[in-house]
Amino acid sequence: AQRVTQPEKLLSVFKGAPVELKCNYSYSGSPELFWYVQYSRQRLQLLLRHISRESIKGFTADLNKGETSFHLKKPFAQEEDSAMYYCALTNTGGFKTIFGAGTRLFVKA
Amino acid sequence: DVKVTQSSRYLVKRTGEKVFLECVQDMDHENMFWYRQDPGLGLRLIYFSYDVKMKEKGDIPEGYSVSREKKERFSLILESASTNQTSMYLCASRFTGTGGEAFFGQGTRLTVV
Repeated sequence: AQRVTQPEKLLSVFKGAPVELKCNYSYSGSPELFWYVQYSRQRLQLLLRHISRESIKGFTADLNKGETSFHLKKPFAQEEDSAMYYCALTNTGGFKTIFGAGTRLFVKA
Repeated sequence: DVKVTQSSRYLVKRTGEKVFLECVQDMDHENMFWYRQDPGLGLRLIYFSYDVKMKEKGDIPEGYSVSREKKERFSLILESASTNQTSMYLCASRFTGTGGEAFFGQGTRLTVV
């Protein structure tokens, strides 16, 4: 069965501090992993996807198949990063996408 | 530049009513999804569809049904609304295949009284 686990419901850091949002998954095939973000009063939107290996707004995430993890990292948090972050997994073939419970990131001035 | 549109932003319905939530996308996506979003539980998949008239149960389908008569439209139906179905409902769509992102609607906040 597919499962995505985000162990932290809330993460609070100071501006300029490093931040890491954890995501672990369970899936027997070859998954696609994504991070989505929801800013206040906005739609849920894609932040980044593992196959692109890109850095978006200073965030990066590496897929670790051995540890079945896809943690989101940023070296220096900004106040505008405060939002709800969801880790998502799409199954092989791309039909079904499930999400974790989400982590609310709060960056303090 | 709206791509996924949900018919209502807010709805208030009475217990036992039949409720229809509509979603339309203009990107010709094969896959469409309905999730409910609850604090602490994240997004939970109710149903998804990978083609016209095709549907699959997600993780929490009980009390819901769906309809996809046209590629661009995916409807969520609450056969007999109950108070525990009070939630934010999100519709999404994406292409089949590698790397495709899901595009979300603005959400429908449903309150069942």
